[in-house]
Amino acid sequence: NAGVTQTPKFQVLKTGQSMTLQCAQDMNHEYMSWYRQDPGMGLRLIHYSVGAGITDQGEVPNGYNVSRSTTEDFPLRLLSAAPSQTSVYFCASSYGENTEAFFGQGTRLTVV
Amino acid sequence: GENVEQHPSTLSVQEGDSAVIKCTYSDSASNYFPWYKQELGKRPQLIIDIRSNVGEKKDQRIAVTLNKTAKHFSLHITETQPEDSAVYFCASQVAGGSYIPTFGRGTSLIVHP
Repeated sequence: NAGVTQTPKFQVLKTGQSMTLQCAQDMNHEYMSWYRQDPGMGLRLIHYSVGAGITDQGEVPNGYNVSRSTTEDFPLRLLSAAPSQTSVYFCASSYGENTEAFFGQGTRLTVV
Repeated sequence: GENVEQHPSTLSVQEGDSAVIKCTYSDSASNYFPWYKQELGKRPQLIIDIRSNVGEKKDQRIAVTLNKTAKHFSLHITETQPEDSAVYFCASQVAGGSYIPTFGRGTSLIVHP
């Protein structure tokens, strides 16, 4: 099993550009989420999904969109990149109640 | 929503010493408390977890304790080794909620040989 796969691993964007971070899992997990990790701020929840067709906002959703058309995929879209979105992004998935989250390898995004 | 506080933000110990990281949570409906270890440049990975019907859980050199009345839980690492150096995150999940974990801000543990 591949687990949770994120692409790309590294990305540099110019301010105002848009892009999509890809996340796919092969464990048939219903619950998926996106976090950003900044120094001293821990893992902050951007958006999450509790199943195909269902998404909701987390703690820091502004500037990001998500969709969940299949159980496997949960892409994160940056609409118009800003330097404040420079961060490491992690996708995670789980079975749900009282179960561990499995993380992708992360995407290091720099917006210049 | 749920809020998780984690202390300290940095912990420096000598090899062989014990390390303790403490977390508090705000939602009394939380019932699952995992701990994740993140090595430099890697993804967070689960090292131990505890559920609300258990007060303590051990796995070799690591242990977690939970006090539901006080709404706090702690990670204990004994006989620390240099390979324990990493960032550790506590998290909580609220029963009947989204089942998406809320994380603390992390503790950078440095074990000096």
